[in-house]
Amino acid sequence: SAVISQKPSRDICQRGTSLTIQCQVDSQVTMMFWYRQQPGQSLTLIATANQGSEATYESGFVIDKFPISRPNLTFSTLTVSNMSPEDSSIYLCSVELTVSGANVLTFGAGSRLTVL
Amino acid sequence: SQQGEEDPQALSIQEGENATMNCSYKTSINNLQWYRQNSGRGLVHLILIRSNEREKHSGRLRVTLDTSKKSSSLLITASRAADTASYFCATDVRGYQKVTFGIGTKLQVIP
Repeated sequence: SAVISQKPSRDICQRGTSLTIQCQVDSQVTMMFWYRQQPGQSLTLIATANQGSEATYESGFVIDKFPISRPNLTFSTLTVSNMSPEDSSIYLCSVELTVSGANVLTFGAGSRLTVL
Repeated sequence: SQQGEEDPQALSIQEGENATMNCSYKTSINNLQWYRQNSGRGLVHLILIRSNEREKHSGRLRVTLDTSKKSSSLLITASRAADTASYFCATDVRGYQKVTFGIGTKLQVIP
């Protein structure tokens, strides 16, 4: 299994500012995933980050709002840009592990952002 | 869009009772997984059941899968206060290569 460290664990931000979330994995992985969990909701995939190429964004998410970096096989960042109160969510980093031929996700502890 | 829908959305039981959560999905899957999320934290993988399996056990967890009805259930036996968490089903959809999460069931186990 992989251990994922994510920071910050929580932050309170002002409207219009940007915040970068960091995700560090203790082993090399090909793909890293960024999810958003709005209050009381399920997880929505924002994008998939591959090392050496641009991130692949899901419908409804754009690079200008959620730029992602993936400089190596153990690290990724997600920036939430020009924040508004609607961006208040838990942001989760995850990696995919293959267990008996099936893909299983391991998650970081999440970054809880509150935008005022 | 969400692939899975859990039922009930909230469940409150006494310690020692069994808890059953259900999940329905819409398209063909490779497998279905259950995850637990303690309040405001990351998700932890609990158990996976493949599309050709009907039942699986892991400790106090029992998962069933009915592909004809596109539904699954998670049973937690002899519940403990520490089982208090949100439980999500997630489907590995054929051809999609990404895991999609349901809306979750919030379980409260009262000591």
